[in-house]
Amino acid sequence: VQLVQSGAEVKKPGESLKISCEGSGYSFTTYWIAWVRQMPGKGLEWMGIIYPGDSDTRYSPSFQGQVTISADKSITTAYLHWSSLKATDTAMYYCARPISNSPWGGIDYWGQGTLVTVSS
Amino acid sequence: QSALTQPASVSGSPGQSITISCTGTSSDVGAYNYVSWYQQHPGKAPKLMIYDVSDRPSGVSDRFSGSKSGNTASLTISGLQAEDEADYYCSSYTSSSTVFGTGTKVTVL
Repeated sequence: VQLVQSGAEVKKPGESLKISCEGSGYSFTTYWIAWVRQMPGKGLEWMGIIYPGDSDTRYSPSFQGQVTISADKSITTAYLHWSSLKATDTAMYYCARPISNSPWGGIDYWGQGTLVTVSS
Repeated sequence: QSALTQPASVSGSPGQSITISCTGTSSDVGAYNYVSWYQQHPGKAPKLMIYDVSDRPSGVSDRFSGSKSGNTASLTISGLQAEDEADYYCSSYTSSSTVFGTGTKVTVL
């Protein structure tokens, strides 16, 4: 199982951004993929999760309306999208896959992380 | 939803056992057996150590064990080793979402 994320991004406030997470080595459509934020020097925050098989998506209340999670099963890739970035979106973002095909079990496989820096 | 509460730091000497607590509510930790624990070394992605309260993924040392009582889950590390020095996070399912704990820095003296 591998999750390979897109590279680091430097953006200005107000810009849009979509980062990606390509899954391989397993059945992409039968496991959920989660996104987790880690702000500099801070803890982990669960953002949301998507089931690529049918694009069923659940969001943390803290992130609902702030980001959009999507997936393209034809290229086994999940995405995290912002329409208008803020400086407070500066963080490391991880995609990750649960150990089983339940969305709520432990997250066993992690991408390498994508560092997003938002600064004017 | 609020983050689960963990002690900011726990320390122990090599060979000792330590326990990290993770306190939630009757809406998360107390309601479901979807409690997980993660280890994170600086600059690295988190690693799953325990899932479903007390199950260990393949390859994780049996020095790590998990339990739950009421609204509080616990991670015990026995036979503490230098390589166990890291940040540890718990998580729990709650209302079609997941919430992480505040994190605990484990120091091996």
